[in-house]
Amino acid sequence: AQSVAQPEDQVNVAEGNPLTVKCTYSVSGNPYLFWYVQYPNRGLQFLLKYITGDNLVKGSYGFEAEFNKSQTSFHLKKPSALVSDSALYFCAVRADSGAGSYQLTFGKGTKLSVIP
Amino acid sequence: GAVVSQHPSWVICKSGTSVKIECRSLDFQATTMFWYRQFPKQSLMLMATSNEGSKATYEQGVEKDKFLINHASLTLSTLTVTSAHPEDSSFYICSAETGGISYEQYFGPGTRLTVT
Repeated sequence: AQSVAQPEDQVNVAEGNPLTVKCTYSVSGNPYLFWYVQYPNRGLQFLLKYITGDNLVKGSYGFEAEFNKSQTSFHLKKPSALVSDSALYFCAVRADSGAGSYQLTFGKGTKLSVIP
Repeated sequence: GAVVSQHPSWVICKSGTSVKIECRSLDFQATTMFWYRQFPKQSLMLMATSNEGSKATYEQGVEKDKFLINHASLTLSTLTVTSAHPEDSSFYICSAETGGISYEQYFGPGTRLTVT
């Protein structure tokens, strides 16, 4: 079974400061990793993904994430936070093969609050 | 980018009635569509996976006779909540996958169902 852990329910950061939202995963085989953002009463918006290749992945709105295989982590980062980044962030994983490998498993989400 | 729509965006119904939610991929053909349920301040829980022209695969604990899924075409999937009860009140989100090597799921904006 695959799983995702987002250890922080909430992250608070001052505007202009760097932000990190943590994610660790467990999956059989090679992982496909994703970050999504959700604004209130809205669906999920895709931010970035890691499939293969460079461990540092750059995505939308200035976000990036680093895949660390030894630590089974895929933390989301941004060098300078904006108030508009305040939202709910989900990390998700799927396996590269096997039964049900197309299914995404989501973490519980981390609420990011950027303080002006 | 790929766009997925849902209709309606919100619906209020009386207990015992049935509600149909539509999920459409607007500019691509979706080989697979997924239905998720999200409770307040919680993560997305996969309910079922549907492929065009075949029966949906339901996750453990999801009543297939209560949550009827029809994937009639490559651009449309419907979720019907039959004999709705207040405990069915939730945020329902669909997503669609194009297949190929993108591995991305594109999410609809969600449907807020309130059963009174």
